Amino acid sequence: EAGVVQSPRYKIIEKKQPVAFWCNPISGHNTLYWYRQNLGQGPELLIRYENEEAVDDSQLPKDRFSAERLKGVDSTLKIQPAELGDSAVYLCASSSEGWRGNYEQYFGPGTRLTVT
Amino acid sequence: AQSVTQLDSHVSVSEGTPVLLRCNYSSSYSPSLFWYVQHPNKGLQLLLKYTSAATLVKGINGFEAEFKKSETSFHLTKPSAHMSDAAEYFCVVSDRTRKLIFGQGTELSVKP
Repeated sequence: EAGVVQSPRYKIIEKKQPVAFWCNPISGHNTLYWYRQNLGQGPELLIRYENEEAVDDSQLPKDRFSAERLKGVDSTLKIQPAELGDSAVYLCASSSEGWRGNYEQYFGPGTRLTVT
Repeated sequence: AQSVTQLDSHVSVSEGTPVLLRCNYSSSYSPSLFWYVQHPNKGLQLLLKYTSAATLVKGINGFEAEFKKSETSFHLTKPSAHMSDAAEYFCVVSDRTRKLIFGQGTELSVKP
């Protein structure tokens, strides 16, 4: 079974530029999560989707961050414009049976973003 | 609000010796607790989870953890460290909405 796929694995951009990250969850997983992991810290949830619906985006900085999961499968997280403080690893995770069920989250390898 | 505190940012052991990674949690109700491991350039992997069943939880790769409500602790142990155990370990608590709240992480080094 293929795991959670993320691309790109690494991205270096200048501040004020836009950037997008892509995630393909494990087949059949209806719940998808985006996390941000700052250097030396644990991941923090940005947004959670159940199918196409964003059910928790309270931690997403909506002035510059946006996300979509149009068909309830893969998802894109965008930052526009990027700031120096956005440098981090962006992790995608997925789980099956909805967040009320087993909800074990499977994580992708992450995208390491460096903003210069 | 739920939170976890990992008491050591870095632990170093010799191969073949026991591993102890300490975690204290704070929760206003009976929590679900997890340990995840993160190897360099790889995704987070679930080691084990506690969800109000047996207080001693066995996980993968010989790791186990004991839920102690009186001490609000969920320490991770392994009897004998292997070189491949070197990684970052995260203690995690879930809140009522099942959102995962991660600790700061403990980096485990294993010396030959």
